[in-house]
Amino acid sequence: DAKTTQPPSMDCAEGRAANLPCNHSTISGNEYVYWYRQIHSQGPQYIIHGLKNNETNEMASLIITEDRKSSTLILPHATLRDTAVYYCIVRANLPISGSARQLTFGSGTQLTVLP
Amino acid sequence: DADVTQTPRNRITKTGKRIMLECSQTKGHDRMYWYRQDPGLGLRLIYYSFDVKDINKGEISDGYSVSRQAQAKFSLSLESAIPNQTALYFCATSDPWDRAGELFFGEGSRLTVL
Repeated sequence: DAKTTQPPSMDCAEGRAANLPCNHSTISGNEYVYWYRQIHSQGPQYIIHGLKNNETNEMASLIITEDRKSSTLILPHATLRDTAVYYCIVRANLPISGSARQLTFGSGTQLTVLP
Repeated sequence: DADVTQTPRNRITKTGKRIMLECSQTKGHDRMYWYRQDPGLGLRLIYYSFDVKDINKGEISDGYSVSRQAQAKFSLSLESAIPNQTALYFCATSDPWDRAGELFFGEGSRLTVL
């Protein structure tokens, strides 16, 4: 699986959009970009994933560049509860009956939402 | 109640003791995983199981063993605990029919080996 690079920490003002970057310059054509977050030593929580098109759900938006070498997770209106470590992970999706390709969690970005 | 439950949540033990961490899930997922997290680091995969008869080593399986007693239960054992196994341990599940492979995590078991 491709390696990802994220800034170790970021701050964001409450109510503002939080934009978390991720570099994955060695991503291959069949690899998806996943985002998880971990709030203060709780179990990580899935946020969103995408292949090449931008994606949006109730939690966040994912913007993937046209060359797919980087992406940005956007939390449109950050709240104090969004303070967490955010992990960007690149992995090929599992075929239904294929062998294991597991999610590899790096160090992530510590996002601190400031009041 | 949580979909993925880990017990114990906290445990302090001594070097050389045998420890078992248990995980049970009500999501009906076939796939279960054990991860370890050290302070300031990401999660590393210890073992995973795709069904009751399938057990696979992850990237850091040395010093650990697992047992998949049923679809809903997956236990992690440390046969002879050592201090560098002090960490936060997470169990997770996933649905093999979910192409996204979303992982659902338990709340974690904090283990301290003195």
